Amino acid sequence: GESVGLHLPTLSVQEGDNSIINCAYSNSASDYFIWYKQESGKGPQFIIDIRSNMDKRQGQRVTVLLNKTVKHLSLQIAATQPGDSAVYFCAENNAGNMLTFGGGTRLMVKP
Amino acid sequence: EAGVTQSPTHLIKTRGQQATLRCSPISGHTSVYWYQQALGLGLQFLLWYDEGEERNRGNFPPRFSGRQFPNYSSELNVNALELEDSALYLCASSLGRLAGLNTEAFFGQGTRLTVV
Repeated sequence: GESVGLHLPTLSVQEGDNSIINCAYSNSASDYFIWYKQESGKGPQFIIDIRSNMDKRQGQRVTVLLNKTVKHLSLQIAATQPGDSAVYFCAENNAGNMLTFGGGTRLMVKP
Repeated sequence: EAGVTQSPTHLIKTRGQQATLRCSPISGHTSVYWYQQALGLGLQFLLWYDEGEERNRGNFPPRFSGRQFPNYSSELNVNALELEDSALYLCASSLGRLAGLNTEAFFGQGTRLTVV
């Protein structure tokens, strides 16, 4: 769905701490989910994806958890670094091969 | 390997004019997607092309159109520009239909369209 950027949810964490970014999705029939990272002035960067037949997937320093019962997705970033500061979007794949994006969460990492 | 490339980076047009935005997908990718990211808003799905055909379009008026060429590159055309069309237009490509094997969607850096 949409959100107003000025009111973008913000998560502020200390460098080295773990970050958890949450996302509620809307369509129980969605079969595929992706997390993207977007830095200012750049296009979204693929981080990690998960299919609906899984509930957890791990990458390098990142883990995505999927809870289909409550239609909830989370992104965990281990040992958060200043370079992780960005806006993070979750996206769900709907019928018609169309990604629907959440409103985004701004992650700020304090050194 | 080159990623998704878009041109131009910035485009300034006057209300009522037409804009043409271009996208080159990652080599081997056949699907191209267009998204609009207006200031302060999330990404809104515009169009999906695959194998030269328009496969799906989002909730946008007909003055938003495009095409995909035999080499899988794509154009987005916006006619009769309105001030509200000012946004970052993002192109993404994938190897095939999303959720398949190795079919992640990767984005370009976008074209910043400003309508004055």
